[in-house]
Amino acid sequence: DAGVIQSPRHEVTEMGQEVTLRCKPISGHNSLFWYRQTMMRGLELLIYFNNNVPIDDSGMPEDRFSAKMPNASFSTLKIQPSEPRDSAVYFCASRHVRAAYTEAFFGQGTRLTVV
Amino acid sequence: RKEVEQDPGPFNVPEGATVAFNCTYSNSASQSFFWYRQDCRKEPKLLMSVYSSGNEDGRFTAQLNRASQYISLLIRDSKLSDSATYLCVVTLNNAGNMLTFGGGTRLMVKP
Repeated sequence: DAGVIQSPRHEVTEMGQEVTLRCKPISGHNSLFWYRQTMMRGLELLIYFNNNVPIDDSGMPEDRFSAKMPNASFSTLKIQPSEPRDSAVYFCASRHVRAAYTEAFFGQGTRLTVV
Repeated sequence: RKEVEQDPGPFNVPEGATVAFNCTYSNSASQSFFWYRQDCRKEPKLLMSVYSSGNEDGRFTAQLNRASQYISLLIRDSKLSDSATYLCVVTLNNAGNMLTFGGGTRLMVKP
């Protein structure tokens, strides 16, 4: 398996532009997570899905952020309009919950810079 | 108060030293516990799960203390390659599968 695949790896955009981050989870995994990581705040959970359904989006900073999971093999995180404070590394992770101790696998992340 | 708290470090230790990290969690209903490792500019990866009875994997030993709500990671005979950030992770299985990460503890092993 290729693991969790995120695209793009790097994104530089101007303030006010729309940004779309993409994630392909590991086949067969039924949970998907979007995290944001900065030096100041560490890893923050933005939203997670179980069986393509959003379960908890309380970590989404504000209405400028939205996430979708139209099917089991694809998810997007959209920021519109983007702001410089959104600059961070965005990770997608997936997991198959069969029992309590199952590993979450992370993608390589998207490094977003908003100028 | 954060749900999962760790000393950010950095812990600077010489090769061969033994080093221990602690992590505290606030929700007594937490069910599963893990240590993840993150190298600079890389994604987090599972280091080991933490079981109630404690568990060991080579030079690494993890312990869970439910009464005091903390978990620990002990690294013996530390290597240069152990330099990384170690993330404590907690799940509340009755909240689906949500993984909550601590802020991480940075370890630097020096020659």
